[in-house]
Amino acid sequence: SYVLTQPPSVSVAPGETATITCGGNSIGSKSVQWYQQKPGQAPVLVIYYDRDRPSGIPERFSGSKSGNTATLTISRVEAGDEADYYCQVWDNTSEHYFFGPGTKVTV
Amino acid sequence: QVRLVQSGAEVKKPGSSVRVSCEASGDTFYNFAVNWVRQAPGQGLEWMGGTARIFGSPIHAQKFQGRLSIITDKSTNTAYMELHSLTSEDTATYYCARVQPGARGFDYWGQGALVTVSS
Repeated sequence: SYVLTQPPSVSVAPGETATITCGGNSIGSKSVQWYQQKPGQAPVLVIYYDRDRPSGIPERFSGSKSGNTATLTISRVEAGDEADYYCQVWDNTSEHYFFGPGTKVTV
Repeated sequence: QVRLVQSGAEVKKPGSSVRVSCEASGDTFYNFAVNWVRQAPGQGLEWMGGTARIFGSPIHAQKFQGRLSIITDKSTNTAYMELHSLTSEDTATYYCARVQPGARGFDYWGQGALVTVSS
């Protein structure tokens, strides 16, 4: 199995920047996705292929990766960004997906 | 606009099986692969399995080996997830999700189906 680590929670003031990390062994060689999930709703894809945004996702959401850590950055945070955020990796050797434990972002 | 509509909530006895359906509209399973994710109450997302490629065979997370069946019926544009030998730990919301064509994210999700396992 492949283990991903995320901080359990991040607290940020409106207008500031939220940074959520996702750590994993050799994550640099894997495709990383990020999802936003609000209570009672299905997850929403906000970043795929490490740094690409699906249509409709604001430019305030950005992704990056360095070493064994992927990062989701939310700039100019709004109250509506309050949610749980999950990283996900695709391992092309096993063709398995793995989710991180999630980070609760409080605004 | 792609839409995935899942079957409704179910209550099951321990030891029984459950089947959750996922009907697609706006696109067909000839054009995308579908995967299944579950979420226990108050917990995180857990990938269960699915197809990596449109015409590939389903792959199951090791945790579910031997008791998970994933079927895609292209003729009715409906996917099915069957989980056998249920225990209380299988109580969760089960989601189907579309794999982005040409990428690896899950870009469209069903509304979720709550399965409660209780005696």
